[in-house]
Amino acid sequence: AQSVTQLDSQVPVFEEAPVELRCNYSSSVSVYLFWYVQYPNQGLQLLLKYLSGSTLVKGINGFEAEFNKSQTSFHLRKPSVHISDTAEYFCAFSGGSYIPTFGRGTSLIVHP
Amino acid sequence: GAGVSQSPSNKVTEKGKDVELRCDPISGHTALYWYRQSLGQGLEFLIYFQGNSAPDKSGLPSDRFSAERTGGSVSTLTIQRTQQEDSAVYLCASSLQGTYGYTFGSGTRLTVV
Repeated sequence: AQSVTQLDSQVPVFEEAPVELRCNYSSSVSVYLFWYVQYPNQGLQLLLKYLSGSTLVKGINGFEAEFNKSQTSFHLRKPSVHISDTAEYFCAFSGGSYIPTFGRGTSLIVHP
Repeated sequence: GAGVSQSPSNKVTEKGKDVELRCDPISGHTALYWYRQSLGQGLEFLIYFQGNSAPDKSGLPSDRFSAERTGGSVSTLTIQRTQQEDSAVYLCASSLQGTYGYTFGSGTRLTVV
């Protein structure tokens, strides 16, 4: 069965510190991977996606993620977070179909 | 339109009533998806449309849930005889056929009292 696991439900961090949000997937077919951000009372906004090519993907707002096939991971990183990055982050993948499967989300809380 | 539009943005209904949630996808997007987001549960897939047909309805939680899409555009998700456990945010997304560029609407927050 295909699944996505976000290992941390909540990640607190101080402003200007680096952050990594972890995501692991389970799939026996080629995967296409995504990170979305959801601000309060809003829909999901695409941060970045991996479809093919370079395993290091850069997205909006200074975020990047690295696809690691051997570890079946797609962790999201930012070298220096801002208060405005406080939001819910979802990892998702599509494998074998066009229907994305989402993780349960990680709440990033940036403290001043 | 420029984005995916969902209406209403908020809906409070009494237990046992029927509700209709509307999604207006981006013009030209042939694929349309409905998800349900419950507190702490992530996004639960409900149904997928390609054009007007729904090749995958596997996520609909019960026969009280149904959805249709007309003209390859607007979709309506209907929940009959609502229950309190139906309370959630219902999200709609659309994409061009055969691509992985999903655009989400802002969702409808449904509260069953």
